[in-house]
Amino acid sequence: EVQLVESGGGLVQPGGSRKLSCAASGFTFSGSALHWFRQPAGKGLEWVALIRSKGNTYATAYAATVKGRFTISRDDLKNTTFLQMDSLTTEDTAIYYCTYTGVLGDYWGQGTLVTVSS
Amino acid sequence: DVVMTQSPLSLPVTLGQPASISCRSSQSLVYSDGDTFLNWYHQRPGQSPRRLIYKVSNRDSGVPDRFSGSGSGTDFTLKISRVEAEDVGVYYCMQGTHWPPTFGGGTKVEIK
Repeated sequence: EVQLVESGGGLVQPGGSRKLSCAASGFTFSGSALHWFRQPAGKGLEWVALIRSKGNTYATAYAATVKGRFTISRDDLKNTTFLQMDSLTTEDTAIYYCTYTGVLGDYWGQGTLVTVSS
Repeated sequence: DVVMTQSPLSLPVTLGQPASISCRSSQSLVYSDGDTFLNWYHQRPGQSPRRLIYKVSNRDSGVPDRFSGSGSGTDFTLKISRVEAEDVGVYYCMQGTHWPPTFGGGTKVEIK
C-alpha cells in the first residue's frame, strides 16, 4: 500500500524558515518523481515543486511564487522528500501535500499545515 | 501559465440525479505526443484531494463508473450519472500538458 506522510508544519514568523518532510512507502521511491502542492484554507490547489529521480539527474522545478525561496530535495536511502522553505510570507500559509504519481496511481499525503504569522 | 476555468462555481444537486462540471483551458491541452493531460480530482471536506480521472477520460482504480470524463482541446467535462451522498465536496480539473501544472478554481457540489 502506497503511503505518504508529511510532517514539519507549524507556526512560523514572517521571514522565517521551515523544513517539511514526507516519508514514503509502498512503491519504488528511488525511481520516482515526487511533487509538493499546497492549499490555503478554503482556497484552491497550487503546484509548488517537483524533484525527479536519480536516473533523471534529480532535476527540480519550482512554481514562480516560490522559486529562489523554496528548495526541494530527497533522501533515497530514507525514502523521504523534503521541502526547505525560506523567507516565508503570510502568502505561504497553507496545507502542504506531497504526492506521487506512477503506474500504481496517484497518491497524496494527509498534508501538513504551515502558518506564517507574527 | 495555462489558465483553467471551471463552471459552475457551486452545483446543488438532487440525490440520484446527474451532474456535470465544465473545465476550459486557455490553450490546447494536446501534448506533442498526442496525449491530453487533463485530470479531475475530488476533495471531500477535511480530506486530501483524490484523483478520479486522468488523461481526460480514464478512471482511476476504485472510482465508481458513475463518473466519466470527456472533452478535447480546450473544453472538458466531468459527469456524474447519478449523484450519491458521498459525492459532495469540491471538484478540480488540472492540466499537466504545459509547465507548470495548473488547476481550475474548483466546483463545490452539494446536495439540495
